[in-house]
Amino acid sequence: RKEVEQDPGPFNVPEGATVAFNCTYSNSASQSFFWYRQDCRKEPKLLMSVYSSGNEDGRFTAQLNRASQYISLLIRDSKLSDSATYLCVVNIHGSSNTGKLIFGQGTTLQVKP
Amino acid sequence: DAGVTQSPTHLIKTRGQQVTLRCSPKSGHDTVSWYQQALGQGPQFIFQYYEEEERQRGNFPDRFSGHQFPNYSSELNVNALLLGDSALYLCASSLVRRTLDSGANVLTFGAGSRLTVL
Repeated sequence: RKEVEQDPGPFNVPEGATVAFNCTYSNSASQSFFWYRQDCRKEPKLLMSVYSSGNEDGRFTAQLNRASQYISLLIRDSKLSDSATYLCVVNIHGSSNTGKLIFGQGTTLQVKP
Repeated sequence: DAGVTQSPTHLIKTRGQQVTLRCSPKSGHDTVSWYQQALGQGPQFIFQYYEEEERQRGNFPDRFSGHQFPNYSSELNVNALLLGDSALYLCASSLVRRTLDSGANVLTFGAGSRLTVL
């Protein structure tokens, strides 16, 4: 079983749509959580951290459910520029507190005009 | 403020050869992590260096080795290349924090080195 699992998609949605991505993780020692965005043939970039209380950044809302080991990302009013791969990421802290990031496979979003 | 820089950007090798990839971390960062990203997959953690020592390692064979220098830059070495080693190799840097706040260990990635093994 993969440590972080995501539906790879692709998700094809029209502009203005609301789309939700889900992710589950298996290691209960995971201590911090993120969504990264990766454009085609580019490096991953941090989109937002995910907190248990839920957090919002403009059109993006992230939620974490530690009991279910489940993370979500909601994108409202989709723009063409949101087309990318969204990577669910968990941080498992090591003894040196440096941690390592474990990535999911990524979910591909294609927003159509 | 320079971000993470990696070299070379692209390279082609043949099976059995050896390759060295290089990474300079973002200014002010002291930890370097290496990831392998195969086509259509998420990045897979190879290992992490801090204070010139390998601190954590993922499920990669001993053919994958690394080094960190006093100036925090790092190298990834892969020996006896296999076709399956063809991938984008990403270097990421971060700053070690002593407190486990949720903003800790946010990585800044370089653009990667794309390795093709023929």
